[in-house]
Amino acid sequence: NAGVMQNPRHLVRRRGQEARLRCSPMKGHSHVYWYRQLPEEGLKFMVYLQKENIIDESGMPKERFSAEFPKEGPSILRIQQVVRGDSAAYFCASSPNGGANTEAFFGQGTRLTVV
Amino acid sequence: DQQVKQNSPSLSVQEGRISILNCDYTNSMFDYFLWYKKYPAEGPTFLISISSIKDKNEDGRFTVFLNKSAKHLSLHIVPSQPGDSAVYFCAASEWAGTASKLTFGTGTRLQVTL
Repeated sequence: NAGVMQNPRHLVRRRGQEARLRCSPMKGHSHVYWYRQLPEEGLKFMVYLQKENIIDESGMPKERFSAEFPKEGPSILRIQQVVRGDSAAYFCASSPNGGANTEAFFGQGTRLTVV
Repeated sequence: DQQVKQNSPSLSVQEGRISILNCDYTNSMFDYFLWYKKYPAEGPTFLISISSIKDKNEDGRFTVFLNKSAKHLSLHIVPSQPGDSAVYFCAASEWAGTASKLTFGTGTRLQVTL
């Protein structure tokens, strides 16, 4: 049973380009969460999605960032017109549901570097 | 506003001894607490959790203690092993027992020495 798969592991973008980060949850998991970790900081919640629905996007920057989790395929975190401050490790986690005593399992992360 | 605080950025413990990692929180709405372990270039790995209705949860060498009145929790690892060397994150959730929208501390780097 494969874990949470994120790709790419490393992504380099020039300022102004778009970054697309992909996350395939664990088999049977329908809830996906995206977190961002800046250098020397803890993980910060960005967005919580179920299939085809955004449940909570309170941690997403208002501009340039968007996320989706389509009926088929991986969840995508999209950052438009990247800036140097977007350089961070982006982690995706999944859980089977949002119910009680649920653990979130994390992927290995995508390290985005904006040059 | 750091709602979950891990005030010790690093901790060094000898192999075989007890490691105690501390975590404080300010949000009284937090209802579920988790500890994650993270190796470099990898994602966090779930270790142990505790609901606010309990004050202790034990799993093998790992025990988490929760003091709600002090808004403090701690992770005890005994005996510590070299493979335990990693960064440990404390996390909290407002929704009872769920993994949704976790708030993380900044982490404590544990080094277990021989």
